[in-house]
Amino acid sequence: QSALTQPASVSGSPGQSITISCTGTSSDVGTYNLVSWYQQHPGKAPKLMIYEGTKRPSGVSNRFSGSKSGNTASLTISGLQAEDEADYYCCSYAGSSAYVFGTGTKVTVL
Amino acid sequence: EVQLVESGGGLVQPGGSLRLSCAASGFTFSTYEMNWVRQAPGKGLEWVSYISSSGSAIYYAESVKGRFTISRDNAKNSLYLQMNSLRAEDTAVYYCARLQTIVDAFDIWGQGTMVTVSS
Repeated sequence: QSALTQPASVSGSPGQSITISCTGTSSDVGTYNLVSWYQQHPGKAPKLMIYEGTKRPSGVSNRFSGSKSGNTASLTISGLQAEDEADYYCCSYAGSSAYVFGTGTKVTVL
Repeated sequence: EVQLVESGGGLVQPGGSLRLSCAASGFTFSTYEMNWVRQAPGKGLEWVSYISSSGSAIYYAESVKGRFTISRDNAKNSLYLQMNSLRAEDTAVYYCARLQTIVDAFDIWGQGTMVTVSS
């Protein structure tokens, strides 16, 4: 199972919106509406930000939103803030209780 | 407080073995499916293994199949990862992660334990 493809880096100024793409295949992202997104600050454990492609866990800011079209899922961060600077990973269910993560995207707030 | 705490990491020589543990607290461990996820230094996340709530169903990533064994002890609220025939490429921080089954997302993560495979 190959890693899902994400851009290595995305940047934006405070207050702007950015979008991170996550491209998989018809065996994972394209088949299952089970894409999740994780935020990871340096030296910390990942944190769940989006599940089932579009839903936010309790406590996650509504500035984070998700979408999916075909084999590509996306995470949008609106009203970018300094605290959003982190690495972001998508993850998809890939069948038979296996999961595949994305390559990761470093978000920089300019 | 819902919490996962890993332990057992360290330095091991290539070909050696190590057993990781993950202690769960603050939730009914026996009702949750659990996973191990690893992250090599400076690299991305990689799913390693899954175990069902009862332990009856187990799955592994191809990269560790035949070398790693996941297990759990629900009476002790603990998850384990037995790692044999370790290779340099197994060097990583190993996280245990709780799976929220209904939505297939990892909602609780431990702080991780570092495994270094080197001579």
